[in-house]
Amino acid sequence: GAGVSQSPSNKVTEKGKDVELRCDPISGHTALYWYRQSLGQGLEFLIYFQGNSAPDKSGLPSDRFSAERTGGSVSTLTIQRTQQEDSAVYLCASSLDWGRVNEQFFGPGTRLTVL
Amino acid sequence: DAKTTQPPSMDCAEGRAANLPCNHSTISGNEYVYWYRQIHSQGPQYIIHGLKNNETNEMASLIITEDRKSSTLILPHATLRDTAVYYCIVRAAPGNMLTFGGGTRLMVKP
Repeated sequence: GAGVSQSPSNKVTEKGKDVELRCDPISGHTALYWYRQSLGQGLEFLIYFQGNSAPDKSGLPSDRFSAERTGGSVSTLTIQRTQQEDSAVYLCASSLDWGRVNEQFFGPGTRLTVL
Repeated sequence: DAKTTQPPSMDCAEGRAANLPCNHSTISGNEYVYWYRQIHSQGPQYIIHGLKNNETNEMASLIITEDRKSSTLILPHATLRDTAVYYCIVRAAPGNMLTFGGGTRLMVKP
């Protein structure tokens, strides 16, 4: 596609429910990144993928968070047993290649609200 | 990644140049300086990056001091649509995760 797309754009859920966020990177981009941005805060890095593998999962806030990427393209970020502090905008970005210094192209984000 | 320091907010008159400073005094030799901006309710947008030399593209110019401890992003003719939060980040090659601090909220006024 022309840019990074994310779905849903908005998600409202009840505390304790699981949610799944989707990211569709730019075609041909092998590196994919997940960030979150809480209200009024800067971006917090969560996890990145090079191809289908995620070498560094240390940025995930807790074991309720997981992410996967299949086929080197679409990625899903899953939050289990959501808590109110999980409310934030979750941003996905992709870049051409992990091994080169390239700008990251960001999607519009998914606004998650946990009631 | 090296820490960056930016003023929390700046104003600029429409049509004038906006000069946004960034201090990165602990930058190391292999770290690049990146600038992104985030317009309200949108994802971050890449602007420009550089290592040592000054850089210019269709959006902005990046001036990096000789000691590389600070840089300035220049929007030559600011428009109302340039109102956004501007983030200065330093990170090492190869590309890895970016950490965005508070940034500078630029308000372009008519």
